[in-house]
Amino acid sequence: KNQVEQSPQSLIILEGKNCTLQCNYTVSPFSNLRWYKQDTGRGPVSLTIMTFSENTKSNGRYTATLDADTKQSSLHITASQLSDSASYICVVSDRGSTLGRLYFGRGTQLTVWP
Amino acid sequence: EADIYQTPRYLVIGTGKKITLECSQTMGHDKMYWYQQDPGMELHLIHYSYGVNSTEKGDLSSESTVSRIRTEHFPLTLESARPSHTSQYLCASSKDSTEGQPQHFGDGTRLSIL
Repeated sequence: KNQVEQSPQSLIILEGKNCTLQCNYTVSPFSNLRWYKQDTGRGPVSLTIMTFSENTKSNGRYTATLDADTKQSSLHITASQLSDSASYICVVSDRGSTLGRLYFGRGTQLTVWP
Repeated sequence: EADIYQTPRYLVIGTGKKITLECSQTMGHDKMYWYQQDPGMELHLIHYSYGVNSTEKGDLSSESTVSRIRTEHFPLTLESARPSHTSQYLCASSKDSTEGQPQHFGDGTRLSIL
């Protein structure tokens, strides 16, 4: 069964600290992996997209890594800010159909305290 | 910021009413999607469209219906709302090929059926 599992479910850190969020998936055949940020009451916003051949991709203070062999990804946030408080969703796309079916994780709820 | 808009943002309405959730995008994207999201849970695809006059049901069974008469417009309709329809509904769009292309999400409609 194709699945996307994220950990931890929730995380609280102090402003200025770094953190790493994890994503494990069983989706096959793999096409790409995406990380989205979803602020409370808003729609998800794309942070990074990585294909099979990409190991690392950065977007400002966000750095995503991908290990396609172990089917694991991480999202590292550097020097956290209060505005980083949000849910971070891992999404994996397969190559099994023209649509490129997306499998969503349940997200990690990050809270940054001052 | 992505140019995709959903109205209304919030709707509280009684059982049995007919509801239409609006979604419009100004990016000229062919592919559009409707997702349902409950608190702390993953997004579930309920409808998608490849283009004008194309609509398909998603993975999660839904009593709602959609139409795609114009590229930019993808409304979702519930003929007779029930409390079980209470949820957040997110609309998204993407370029013709989803390979490596992000989905752009609206900010959602939070629907409460009394």
